[in-house]
Amino acid sequence: RKEVEQDPGPFNVPEGATVAFNCTYSNSASQSFFWYRQDCRKEPKLLMSVYSSGNEDGRFTAQLNRASQYISLLIRDSKLSDSATYLCVVNRFNQAGTALIFGKGTTLSVSS
Amino acid sequence: DADVTQTPRNRITKTGKRIMLECSQTKGHDRMYWYRQDPGLGLRLIYYSFDVKDINKGEISDGYSVSRQAQAKFSLSLESAIPNQTALYFCATSGISGGAADTQYFGPGTRLTVL
Repeated sequence: RKEVEQDPGPFNVPEGATVAFNCTYSNSASQSFFWYRQDCRKEPKLLMSVYSSGNEDGRFTAQLNRASQYISLLIRDSKLSDSATYLCVVNRFNQAGTALIFGKGTTLSVSS
Repeated sequence: DADVTQTPRNRITKTGKRIMLECSQTKGHDRMYWYRQDPGLGLRLIYYSFDVKDINKGEISDGYSVSRQAQAKFSLSLESAIPNQTALYFCATSGISGGAADTQYFGPGTRLTVL
């Protein structure tokens, strides 16, 4: 099982649609979880952290299920500007400290 | 000004050449990272440094070396570039700040082509 696994998509949705991305991770010891957004040929940028209780930031909702080792991102009322690749990220502990493991990303295309 | 800068932004070089990619940050973070990104493979960690005296190999360090010259500077070297090192390279930084531990901030990337 890959450390972080995402459906690569692409997800093609019309403006105003609701879309959900899923992610699974293999290391039960992981404690930090994030969604990053990456526009084409640009650097990844933090979209939101994911907390056990679930968290919401405007049209974006992230949820974590530790028992199932599953993370989700819900985007409501999709905008054209939401078109991007969304990266699921978890941390991994090692002897030197912690490192982040990035999923390969899920591509979203929102059309008018 | 950007918090994390990378130079050069684009570089074309030939097989066998030595090249250096540089990263500077003004965020005051102790931790710095180098990643490469290839289509279909996602971001892969090359090296990381948790402070000036600490250097650690990532998952794909072969063919690369790094130098942490100061808290704010972390450079990546390809001693003898080969074509399969053609990729988009990102530098990132992170600090520990309460609940935002581990959040990484990326530079704009260096697009490297090895002919």
